[in-house]
Amino acid sequence: DIQMTQSPSSLSASVGDRVTITCQASQDISNYLNWYQQKPGKAPKLLIYDASNLETGVPSRFSGSGSGTDFTFTISSLQPEDIATYYCQQYDNLLPYTFGQGTKLEIK
Amino acid sequence: EVQLVESGGGLVQPGRSLRLSCTASGFTFGDYAMSWFRQAPGKGLEWVGFIRSKAYGGTTEYAASVKGRFTISRDDSKSIAYLQMNSLKTEDTAVYYCTGGTVTPFDYWGQGTLVTVSS
Repeated sequence: DIQMTQSPSSLSASVGDRVTITCQASQDISNYLNWYQQKPGKAPKLLIYDASNLETGVPSRFSGSGSGTDFTFTISSLQPEDIATYYCQQYDNLLPYTFGQGTKLEIK
Repeated sequence: EVQLVESGGGLVQPGRSLRLSCTASGFTFGDYAMSWFRQAPGKGLEWVGFIRSKAYGGTTEYAASVKGRFTISRDDSKSIAYLQMNSLKTEDTAVYYCTGGTVTPFDYWGQGTLVTVSS
């Protein structure tokens, strides 16, 4: 199975800060990488697909980059409503699909 | 507006069976793959399996942890995907989500349904 190593596991930042989360795959997954936001008690929400494509309706302060094994998710200016847990997910043709362990984002 | 609504969760004893349903609306259900994921209490996300559209054979794939016990099927005439869960174990306790989409298979998620396996 492809292992996804996501860091940090938790993060505290101030409103307006630039926030970066990284995800590393154990083997080349091209750009088959999604980023999700999950708020407590809610279903995950797809924010970024194919590593860098913004899902329709998602604010432009969210972005993603990378290919191969190293990926980055960025919030350019943190807003209070961005408090959530964020997950990366690989969906390479080599099953199973796997997730990073999650990053819990809090307001400082 | 696309909606996915899961149902069928509940409390079940170990070794018993349960069938979850995922009712879709707002898109041409039969044209797209449907997936199931789960999340144990306080834990991360886990892929369970998916079913391809009929155009791609309607075949299924499963995680090793559920293969041979869980079966995914679909009724395109009703826009429903099913997750039949047999020989349930306590470690299957989780919120189960179905997903689908028109751009990616993960565009839309249902609200989830809780399955608790306990004696």
